[in-house]
Amino acid sequence: EIVLTQSPGTLSLSPGERATLSCRASQSFRSNYLAWYHQKPGQAPRLLIYGASSRATGIPDRFSGSGSGTDFTLTISRLEPEDFAVYYCQQYGGSVTFGGGTKVEIK
Amino acid sequence: QVQLVESGGGVVQPGRSLRLSCAASGFTFSLYGMHWVRQAPGKGLEWVAMISADGSNNYYEDSVKGRFIISRDNSKNTLYLQMNSLRAEDTAVYHCAKGSGVAWYFDLWGRGTLVTVSS
Repeated sequence: EIVLTQSPGTLSLSPGERATLSCRASQSFRSNYLAWYHQKPGQAPRLLIYGASSRATGIPDRFSGSGSGTDFTLTISRLEPEDFAVYYCQQYGGSVTFGGGTKVEIK
Repeated sequence: QVQLVESGGGVVQPGRSLRLSCAASGFTFSLYGMHWVRQAPGKGLEWVAMISADGSNNYYEDSVKGRFIISRDNSKNTLYLQMNSLRAEDTAVYHCAKGSGVAWYFDLWGRGTLVTVSS
């Protein structure tokens, strides 16, 4: 099983700041098959990024994904109030596994 | 409106069964593989099962193989999860999720339904 480790566990930032979230895989997997989601309390997760760097429909361009092999990054260029949430990475190149999540909280 | 709405959760004793449903609307349900993903209280996400668009193929996470059955009724735009021999560790919010159509990432999720396994 491919294990995804997300860091940091919690990121405390202010609106307008830049957020950088990391997702590291225990082994490389097929074709950068990595997705990012965010989830607010009591809500469904929402797809942000797929294929490591492609934005999903309707996702603003302040969200960007990068990386390859075993190291991937989600960057939010300028945090908006609605971006404070928990973020999960997911690989789908070898079955499906999720990372443990990074909580982005208001400082 | 494009959405997925789960139902059927509740409190159930260990060893008993429960059937979850997921009603889909706003897209052509019969064209997409569908998944169940669960989230234990305060924990992260765990993929549970997948069924192909026509229902002919299904796949399961190891811990639920032989206990859970995923199925669908394309005439009713509904996905199901039959959960048997439930264990305390199955306690979670169960989300249904729409596959992308190409690969196993999920471009639409429901809010989920809570299953609590407790005596």
